[in-house]
Amino acid sequence: GENVEQHPSTLSVQEGDSAVIKCTYSDSASNYFPWYKQELGKRPQLIIDIRSNVGEKKDQRIAVTLNKTAKHFSLHITETQPEDSAVYFCAASMNTGFQKLVFGTGTRLLVSP
Amino acid sequence: GAGVSQSPRYKVAKRGQDVALRCDPISGHVSLFWYQQALGQGPEFLTYFQNEAQLDKSGLPSDRFFAERPEGSVSTLKIQRTQQEDSAVYLCASSLARGFDTGELFFGEGSRLTVL
Repeated sequence: GENVEQHPSTLSVQEGDSAVIKCTYSDSASNYFPWYKQELGKRPQLIIDIRSNVGEKKDQRIAVTLNKTAKHFSLHITETQPEDSAVYFCAASMNTGFQKLVFGTGTRLLVSP
Repeated sequence: GAGVSQSPRYKVAKRGQDVALRCDPISGHVSLFWYQQALGQGPEFLTYFQNEAQLDKSGLPSDRFFAERPEGSVSTLKIQRTQQEDSAVYLCASSLARGFDTGELFFGEGSRLTVL
């Protein structure tokens, strides 16, 4: 089955700096890669996603890149703000008749003012 | 409602008790998922419903776990004879996507189960 690894587990940056979170996946058949943000005690919420036919996607300060050959995908946050502080989860989905997401272990991002 | 609703938000059970966790998905969402999230970990897949049909239950940890969605809307996750290792947050998510479509999962706030 699919296995997703995520690094780093914690990341501390100063406000205004960039943050990068990296994930690898094991199954080359995976074709959908979402990123979810989870604030303390809150529900996970989708912030950006990418499909396997695209190499990069941007949405304001957030971007995701996908390298299918290396089975890597990364989340990039520019001009970080304190409200970006949360746990971020990457996930990969190999559609076997439905979208079955396998999540990474999460990255706790702390943005200091 | 505007989002996925789960109840109870918090549940404390003595070891050996049965518990039932409820999920009210977004109206019209065909797909419904249950995930288990241990402290400091990512959500782990438990089971999937498309309407009332349970198409995948491969993530259920044991036969003490049972889920249903009899009318294709509200779903219940039942855990019998709870054990301490069942302590976790149980997340429900729903989606418009079905079959080979991909799309956003809308999560509920979760039900935090503590087994003493």
